[in-house]
Amino acid sequence: AQSVTQLGSHVSVSEGALVLLRCNYSSSVPPYLFWYVQYPNQGLQLLLKYTSAATLVKGINGFEAEFKKSETSFHLTKPSAHMSDAAEYFCAVSSMDSSYKLIFGSGTRLLVRP
Amino acid sequence: KAGVTQTPRYLIKTRGQQVTLSCSPISGHRSVSWYQQTPGQGLQFLFEYFSETQRNKGNFPGRFSGRQFSNSRSEMNVSTLELGDSALYLCASSLGSPNTEAFFGQGTRLTVV
Repeated sequence: AQSVTQLGSHVSVSEGALVLLRCNYSSSVPPYLFWYVQYPNQGLQLLLKYTSAATLVKGINGFEAEFKKSETSFHLTKPSAHMSDAAEYFCAVSSMDSSYKLIFGSGTRLLVRP
Repeated sequence: KAGVTQTPRYLIKTRGQQVTLSCSPISGHRSVSWYQQTPGQGLQFLFEYFSETQRNKGNFPGRFSGRQFSNSRSEMNVSTLELGDSALYLCASSLGSPNTEAFFGQGTRLTVV
């Protein structure tokens, strides 16, 4: 069975600093992984996805993530945080059964200090 | 193209009542899945429909049910509402295979009083 663990329920960075949000997965087969962002009172918006092509995946708004099989990780990074990046971020893995189901981590709230 | 539309955005219901939430997926998407989001439990999968067939169901009581119509629009129903059903209910539309992304609606905020 697939699962996802996000380390750190809250991460605080200064504007302009590096953003690093951690995600580790567990999967018995090569996984499909996603990062989503959620702004207050909104649905989830896809930032990027890994589907076994390039291990370094570039997404929207300057975010990228690197798939590391040896570390079972898919950490999300952004070189320079912007105030508008403040939101909750979710890592998810796609279930490999005969349906469409995303298994989400518990989320990380990113705070950006001016 | 139009995104995923969920109606209504907000609902207040009384314990014991029932509620129906609606989701219109992106045109061409045949998979609709539903998630419950609460502060304590996070994002939990409710069920997924593909071409009017339920393919998967999460670990929720039978009070939670859903259906999908021939135009891919989906509804979920919760009967005999409990206070603990208060949550943000999110609908996601996709092409239905694991390597594709889901597009989410803005959600329906249900408050049970």
